[in-house]
Amino acid sequence: AQSVTQLDSQVPVFEEAPVELRCNYSSSVSVYLFWYVQYPNQGLQLLLKYLSGSTLVKGINGFEAEFNKSQTSFHLRKPSVHISDTAEYFCAVSGRNTGKLIFGQGTTLQVKP
Amino acid sequence: SAVISQKPSRDICQRGTSLTIQCQVDSQVTMMFWYRQQPGQSLTLIATANQGSEATYESGFVIDKFPISRPNLTFSTLTVSNMSPEDSSIYLCSADDIGQGHGYTFGSGTRLTVV
Repeated sequence: AQSVTQLDSQVPVFEEAPVELRCNYSSSVSVYLFWYVQYPNQGLQLLLKYLSGSTLVKGINGFEAEFNKSQTSFHLRKPSVHISDTAEYFCAVSGRNTGKLIFGQGTTLQVKP
Repeated sequence: SAVISQKPSRDICQRGTSLTIQCQVDSQVTMMFWYRQQPGQSLTLIATANQGSEATYESGFVIDKFPISRPNLTFSTLTVSNMSPEDSSIYLCSADDIGQGHGYTFGSGTRLTVV
């Protein structure tokens, strides 16, 4: 079975500052890793995913994440945030043979002017 | 990537009634899933909708409460039966549209309020 822990429930940050949203996972098998964003009153949008290969993954809206197998982490980063990045961010994991997504509890990113 | 249409987008229902949520994908997909997002919470998988056979439910979810149909590779329904206020949540449909767990697209969700 897999599990995901997002280490920060809320992350306040000023506009144009860098941000890191932390995600750790647990699994006894190889996994795929995902970050999703949910804007208020909307569904989920895929930001990026790690399947295999390069551990640095680039996604949409200037976000990137790094897969660290030894630390079982998949932290999300952006070098300069905008007000429009204010949203809920979810880290998710799926076992390579299960096809099911397990979500973390979410991190609220609050970008202040 | 696939586009998922989910309806209704929101509804207010009386306790004791049932609501059926529809999920339509614009292309054939191998796997479809239903999730629940309770207020202020993360997403919890309800079940995997299997084409042509009974859905596979996660722990804590049962077919009598959440019957699911998947008659073909592009369509699925989730029914929330005998509703109570505790069922007030956002219900989301998801499809593995790339295959083999490489990518999941989500519908915009159904916001259900039970009064």
